[in-house]
This record gives sequence, C-alpha cells and structure tokens, in this order.
Amino acid sequence: EVQLVESGGGVVQPGGSLRLSCAAAGFPFDEYAMHWVRQPPGKGPQWVSLISGNGGTTYYADSVKGRFTISRDNSKNSLYLQMNSLRTEDTAFYYCTKGGDYGDYRYWGQGTLVTVSS
Amino acid sequence: DIQMTQSPSSLSASVGDRIIITCRASQGIGTYLNWYQQKAGKAPKLLIYAASSLQSGVPSRFSGSASGTDFTLTISSLQPEDFATYYCQQSYSIPQTFGGGTKVEIK
Repeated sequence: EVQLVESGGGVVQPGGSLRLSCAAAGFPFDEYAMHWVRQPPGKGPQWVSLISGNGGTTYYADSVKGRFTISRDNSKNSLYLQMNSLRTEDTAFYYCTKGGDYGDYRYWGQGTLVTVSS
Repeated sequence: DIQMTQSPSSLSASVGDRIIITCRASQGIGTYLNWYQQKAGKAPKLLIYAASSLQSGVPSRFSGSASGTDFTLTISSLQPEDFATYYCQQSYSIPQTFGGGTKVEIK
C-alpha cells in the first residue's frame, strides 16, 4: 500500500523559512517522480514543484522559483521542500504526491499546513 | 501557462441524477487531463487519468471523455458519497494547472 506522510508545517513569520518532509513507503521510491502541490484554505490546488526519480531534474512554479528548493533522498525514501523568504500568500496545505504515468497525482499524503503570518 | 476553465462552479443535484462537469483547455493538451474528487478536510483523490482511464478502485459510475480541448467528467447516477468538489488538471506541460473546481451539493 502506498503511503505518503508529510511533516514540518507550522506557523512562521513573513521572510522566514521552513523545511517540509515527506516519508514514502509501499512503492519503489527512486523510480517515480514526486511533486509538491499546495492548496490555500478554501481555494483550489496549485502545483508547486516536481523532481525526477533520480533527483537530477527539477521544476518550479514561477511563484516559488528562487525561494523554494525540492530535493529527495532515495536512500531514505524521503522527499523535501525547503521554503525560504516565505510570504503570506504561501499559506496553504502542502501535499506531497506520487507522480503517475500521465503526469497525474496518483497518490497524495494527508498534507501539512503552513501558515505565514506576523 | 495553459488555462483550464471548469464549469459549472457549483451545481445542486439529487441522488440518482446524472451530472456532467466540463473542463476546457486554453490550448491542445492531447489526453493529458486528469480529474480529482475532494471532500472536506481531505486530500484530493484521483478519479480519472489520461482523460478517460478509471483509476483503480473508483466506481464505474464515473467516466471521462475528451473532444479536442473540451473534457467531461460524468457521474451516471449520483450517490450520497459523491457530494464533493471536483477538479480537472492538465499534465501536458509545466506548470501543471488545475481548473477552478465544481462543488456538487445536495438538492
């Protein structure tokens, strides 16, 4: 059974930093691209970032480029999102997702809430 | 960026009704279109991928179709557990983008 468990969310002031983690299980982690998708409370989902299975290729939404860094440790079956220079508009539930063959988000974690507020 | 226009934004329906939700892409995306269901307080759940392929474990009353840049999600006979918000998502190009959502409510 595929399991994705996010952690690391919390309350941070504007300009601060947080590091999110996602522990994966139940599938060959290094064979799949992984995504971070976020959802502001009461709004629709937004794609944030993508990393290839070997970690060699990454992509970012324009809204987070230069501030967020996606990474993975395949030896630990873990995905990360380092978030710097946080803004109030970054407030959202952050989900890690397992990529599917058609670029779909086939499996989702339960999400972790990031609140950026002074 | 590819814009995904989803309609309607909300609808009221009764158990047993057939409902159709549409999603239009601002440019061609082939069949790289996916549908998700989200219930309150939960993560989205994949229903349909590649426009018309049913995800494992999803009831057969859900179906998807494509015609050019227009896509539809059909629920053939609405069940009580289907009252939720539905989103389309294009996975043709980065940045991957979502439609605005359709909230399905009980009439």
